Amino acid sequence: GQQLNQSPQSMFIQEGEDVSMNCTSSSIFNTWLWYKQDPGEGPVLLIALYKAGELTSNGRLTAQFGITRKDSFLNISASIPSDVGIYFCVIAGGTSYGKLTFGQGTILTVHP
Amino acid sequence: DGGITQSPKYLFRKEGQNVTLSCEQNLNHDAMYWYRQDPGQGLRLIYYSQIVNDFQKGDIAEGYSVSREKKESFPLTVTSAQKNPTAFYLCASRDRGRQETQYFGPGTRLLVL
Repeated sequence: GQQLNQSPQSMFIQEGEDVSMNCTSSSIFNTWLWYKQDPGEGPVLLIALYKAGELTSNGRLTAQFGITRKDSFLNISASIPSDVGIYFCVIAGGTSYGKLTFGQGTILTVHP
Repeated sequence: DGGITQSPKYLFRKEGQNVTLSCEQNLNHDAMYWYRQDPGQGLRLIYYSQIVNDFQKGDIAEGYSVSREKKESFPLTVTSAQKNPTAFYLCASRDRGRQETQYFGPGTRLLVL
């Protein structure tokens, strides 16, 4: 099946620091997504990427769709305590039923 | 407010018991999904339904069953055949045509006694 490798698995940072995480796949995909899950809640879509090489921002978040269509990066600038949570890279599998395949997640902890 | 609700927040199951997790949405979405989340892993698809009275197995359907008698509701039953049911269960729904945007409920944490 489709596999996503997301890294790092966890990060412990100080408030104000920048954060980077990435995701690679064994296959080419046309849509890459980044979701965030707050503790004890369901994931929420942060950014959607549709074109190879695309760079998209959402506030302090910036994500890029790799030129090979096999990878994606998410950067968070000037982290704040509410950035705490699990960040998932996700691929939309091109099926008719809207299948999403999730990476293992990056657990982010921000120390005030 | 529109959204997805799941109940209960926590559920305890005894060995050999079936339990049913509730999922309701008032977003008028056709498609609904059930995922399982284990620590250190991403979400895995259990079942999905694209329309009322139709549902299909996902990647890890063994030991689970669902029904879709109403558009708003997609309950998941964890049967006694599921040998490792302790997990966080998430329900989601999707608007037609927006493949990437699944809206998730707050989840139900199932624990086996």
